[in-house]
Amino acid sequence: GENVEQHPSTLSVQEGDSAVIKCTYSDSASNYFPWYKQELGKGPQLIIDIRSNVGEKKDQRIAVTLNKTAKHFSLHITETQPEDSAVYFCAAIGYNAGGTSYGKLTFGQGTILTVHP
Amino acid sequence: NAGVTQTPKFRVLKTGQSMTLLCAQDMNHEYMYWYRQDPGMGLRLIHYSVGEGTTAKGEVPDGYNVSRLKKQNFLLGLESAAPSQTSVYFCASSYMDRKNTEAFFGQGTRLTVV
Repeated sequence: GENVEQHPSTLSVQEGDSAVIKCTYSDSASNYFPWYKQELGKGPQLIIDIRSNVGEKKDQRIAVTLNKTAKHFSLHITETQPEDSAVYFCAAIGYNAGGTSYGKLTFGQGTILTVHP
Repeated sequence: NAGVTQTPKFRVLKTGQSMTLLCAQDMNHEYMYWYRQDPGMGLRLIHYSVGEGTTAKGEVPDGYNVSRLKKQNFLLGLESAAPSQTSVYFCASSYMDRKNTEAFFGQGTRLTVV
């Protein structure tokens, strides 16, 4: 089955700096890669995702890049703000030719991001 | 917009006791899931369901049972709780459409088994 590795486990930055979180996956059939943000006491919430036919996707201060050959993808947050402090998870899903995977997510271990004012 | 609602939010059990966690979603999603979250291990899939009346095992199913008698509800049962089942449990739901792939998560249930 799929295995997703995420680094670093903790990341501390100053407000305004950039933050980068990296993930690798093992199953070359995986073709959808979401990133989730989890605030304290809450469930994970999707912040951005990327499909395997796209190399990069951007949404305001957040961007995700995907390298299918190397089987890794990264989350980039620019101009970090204290409210970006949370746990971030990468995940992977493989959809088969019939378009189904049943949406089963394989998650990375998580990164605790702390943005200092 | 309720989304995905889990009950209870907190629970303490003694070893050997049983309990049921309830998940309800109001988005008419076909797919529902139960994950557990442990420190340093991310979220791991326990069981999932692709429709009313169907369930399947995930990555860590041992010690758990599930039922989906109604499309909007997904129940997770622990028949004989063990300390290793101390965790935070999350329910999620999603569409059965590869164009709409977002999974929506509940607020979680923090379970402690003593």
